Amino acid sequence: GENVEQHPSTLSVQEGDSAVIKCTYSDSASNYFPWYKQELGKGPQLIIDIRSNVGEKKDQRIAVTLNKTAKHFSLHITETQPEDSAVYFCAASPNDYKLSFGAGTTVTVRA
Amino acid sequence: DAGVIQSPRHEVTEMGQEVTLRCKPISGHDYLFWYRQTMMRGLELLIYFNNNVPIDDSGMPEDRFSAKMPNASFSTLKIQPSEPRDSAVYFCASSPSRGVAYNEQFFGPGTRLTVL
Repeated sequence: GENVEQHPSTLSVQEGDSAVIKCTYSDSASNYFPWYKQELGKGPQLIIDIRSNVGEKKDQRIAVTLNKTAKHFSLHITETQPEDSAVYFCAASPNDYKLSFGAGTTVTVRA
Repeated sequence: DAGVIQSPRHEVTEMGQEVTLRCKPISGHDYLFWYRQTMMRGLELLIYFNNNVPIDDSGMPEDRFSAKMPNASFSTLKIQPSEPRDSAVYFCASSPSRGVAYNEQFFGPGTRLTVL
């Protein structure tokens, strides 16, 4: 099955700086790559996703890049704010629905 | 819409007891997922349904776990008998197969299960 590795496990950034989280996947059949944000005591929430026919996607301060050849994808958060502090998960799927998640990255934005 | 509803929010039980977790998906969503989250294993997909039919249960850890979806607005995850290693947060999620939110999974608040 699919194996998703995520780095780093923790990330501390100064407010206003950028944060980058990287993931690699093993199954070349995977074609859907969502990113989820989980706040304390809540369920994960989709923040952005990308499909294999696109190399980059941006939504305001959040962007995701995908390199299918290297089997890795990354999340970029610019101009970080305190409300960006949360746990972020990457995931990969060969069929849009069966998601395999990375281990998560705890992001702390220092004021 | 109230979002995905899960009950109970917290469950504490003793080893050997039967546990039933409940989920009401968002109306109109035709996919339903059950996940388990632990510190050691992260977020794992247990099973998912499409139009009330189980599609993939390869993530169900063992025969003690079973899931049903008798209709489009209700699903259960049952553990019988429960063991301490089943302690985790269990999430239910639902997803539409069409529309603006196509295949986005909406997660419920989770049920925190503690088996003593």
